[in-house]
Amino acid sequence: DAKTTQPNSMESNEEEPVHLPCNHSTISGTDYIHWYRQLPSQGPEYVIHGLTSNVNNRMASLAIAEDRKSSTLILHRATLRDAAVYYCIPTTGNQFYFGTGTSLTVIP
Amino acid sequence: EAQVTQNPRYLITVTGKKLTVTCSQNMNHEYMSWYRQDPGLGLRQIYYSMNVEVTDKGDVPEGYKVSRKEKRNFPLILESPSPNQTSLYFCASSLGLRANTEAFFGQGTRLTVV
Repeated sequence: DAKTTQPNSMESNEEEPVHLPCNHSTISGTDYIHWYRQLPSQGPEYVIHGLTSNVNNRMASLAIAEDRKSSTLILHRATLRDAAVYYCIPTTGNQFYFGTGTSLTVIP
Repeated sequence: EAQVTQNPRYLITVTGKKLTVTCSQNMNHEYMSWYRQDPGLGLRQIYYSMNVEVTDKGDVPEGYKVSRKEKRNFPLILESPSPNQTSLYFCASSLGLRANTEAFFGQGTRLTVV
């Protein structure tokens, strides 16, 4: 299982972009990179995933480094509802190994 | 609405009294799993099931049992709960054992064993 490194916490002002980094230098060639978030008192929620190319969806964008050893989750305009713990999870299957993630604080 | 439903949401019980936490999904997903979440330890997988009648241990299976008699249900059974099983539990489901799919999680069950 790939080991991941994420900042323990980050802050962002409301309506500004947020870049959440993740290092996964031991990722295997077949690992997809998933991002989930967990809002207070809720279960984890899928955000986005990708393999090699950058990915966009209605929630966020995922930028994957060319060597795949790191990725960045981009929230284009942070809202108060985006305050959560964000987990970066490389996986080849559906056994997700959650680390401690990045706790994002959004400042009004 | 696609969802994973856990019951109960909150439960306080005494040591040794058998309990079952139910999990149901309405998406016809093959893969289901149980996690527990403890402060400082993140989410850890307890058991998973790849399909009906197929279950396997995750990382922390001791003290737990599961069954998968129907595709939609995956109950978690604690035959003799102990205080170290006090935790927040999550059930999850996904289309299959493929990395190119998203997982859906329930709202959680907060269990306290006294």
